[in-house]
Amino acid sequence: AQKVTQAQTEISVVEKEDVTLDCVYETRDTTYYLFWYKQPPSGELVFLIRRNSFDEQNEISGRYSWNFQKSTSSFNFTITASQVVDSAVYFCALNKASNTGKLIFGQGTTLQVKP
Amino acid sequence: DGGITQSPKYLFRKEGQNVTLSCEQNLNHDAMYWYRQDPGQGLRLIYYSQIVNDFQKGDIAEGYSVSREKKESFPLTVTSAQKNPTAFYLCASGDRGIRQPQHFGDGTRLSIL
Repeated sequence: AQKVTQAQTEISVVEKEDVTLDCVYETRDTTYYLFWYKQPPSGELVFLIRRNSFDEQNEISGRYSWNFQKSTSSFNFTITASQVVDSAVYFCALNKASNTGKLIFGQGTTLQVKP
Repeated sequence: DGGITQSPKYLFRKEGQNVTLSCEQNLNHDAMYWYRQDPGQGLRLIYYSQIVNDFQKGDIAEGYSVSREKKESFPLTVTSAQKNPTAFYLCASGDRGIRQPQHFGDGTRLSIL
């Protein structure tokens, strides 16, 4: 069975705090890709990052960083020095070869950053 | 500008009525997808198409129908058989392959009158 779990339904922080969004996945495939998307209040999902199952290097892009650990099946997302504009719903998703391209989404984490 | 256009932004359906949601993309993507989003349930796949004139059911296809006559267009019809159509509908497109991210439109919010 394949599954993506985002256990944190809602997180509220004050501006400039660091925040980590958790993502745990399940799959028996050895080749797969993990994605993070941001859904601002306007509704469209914005692609943030992709990571393949063979690349466990962490990645940093400005205030965003991602920590991929195969040993714990986790792909966590950290926002450093959060800003009000980071307020959105964040989705983690899994894609694997046997899925013919279908993304499996987690439930999403709603992040509220207060000024 | 390149992107995905969904219309209308808001749609109201009467009892027993079929309604069609439009999705057009100019990104030259082969694959297109329709998702339904309900509060607290993430995104669920309704239908997807990897190539023109071909499409497959997703996880919740009952009460919905699609067509893919052109590469750019993937309209979704919500039929009267869909008893709980109130939701936010998102269309996406992408290149084929599991490494390819999907790109999303702004969504259509459907409500029952």
